[in-house]
Amino acid sequence: ETVLTQSPDTLSLSPGESATLSCRASETVARDYLGWYQQKPGQPPRLVIYDASSRATGIPDRFSGSGSGTDFTLTISRLEPDDFAVFYCQQYATAPLTFGGGTRVEI
Amino acid sequence: QVQLQESGPGLVKPPETLVLSCTVSDDSISGYYWNWIRQPPGKGLQWIGNIHHDGRSNYNPSLKSRVTMSLDTSRNQFSLRLTSVTAGDTAMYYCARGLGWLTTDWGQGTLITVSS
Repeated sequence: ETVLTQSPDTLSLSPGESATLSCRASETVARDYLGWYQQKPGQPPRLVIYDASSRATGIPDRFSGSGSGTDFTLTISRLEPDDFAVFYCQQYATAPLTFGGGTRVEI
Repeated sequence: QVQLQESGPGLVKPPETLVLSCTVSDDSISGYYWNWIRQPPGKGLQWIGNIHHDGRSNYNPSLKSRVTMSLDTSRNQFSLRLTSVTAGDTAMYYCARGLGWLTTDWGQGTLITVSS
């Protein structure tokens, strides 16, 4: 199965700063079928980015995804208080679908 | 906007069978993949498997021997059956809709505790 490794485990930042989250795959993610999800406490994950770089419906353009193959990045510019959460990457190219371990973005 | 609602027993004794249902409203079962994903308390996400409206299913190999998924299109529901549960199956269980294998919409989740 494709193992996804996210780094760092935790990012401590202030509102207005930028966040850069990394997701590395153990093998090439076909067609760049890589998504990013945001999860706040007590809530289900919400899709933020799909196909590595496309924003999901309703996601502000402060969120951007990049990368290809085995290395992917989620960038959040001008952090707002509502952005602080845990972010997971997921590959949906190959079964079993797999998630990274998550990166917590905290104040 | 599609809404998904999980329903389940809350507490299951080992080594019983867990059965969960997910009701899909405001939309149809047809044309999508339907997923089950779980999250142990304080931990990350694990994909359990999915089922297509045409009946094709895919299961995580780590759970495959214990998992069965099914669809009831007449009731707009899909279900998960997990046999021989242990404490390691304690988790929040989410149902989710997939466009292809991309998971786009999630239910709120139902917490399942396995304890005697």
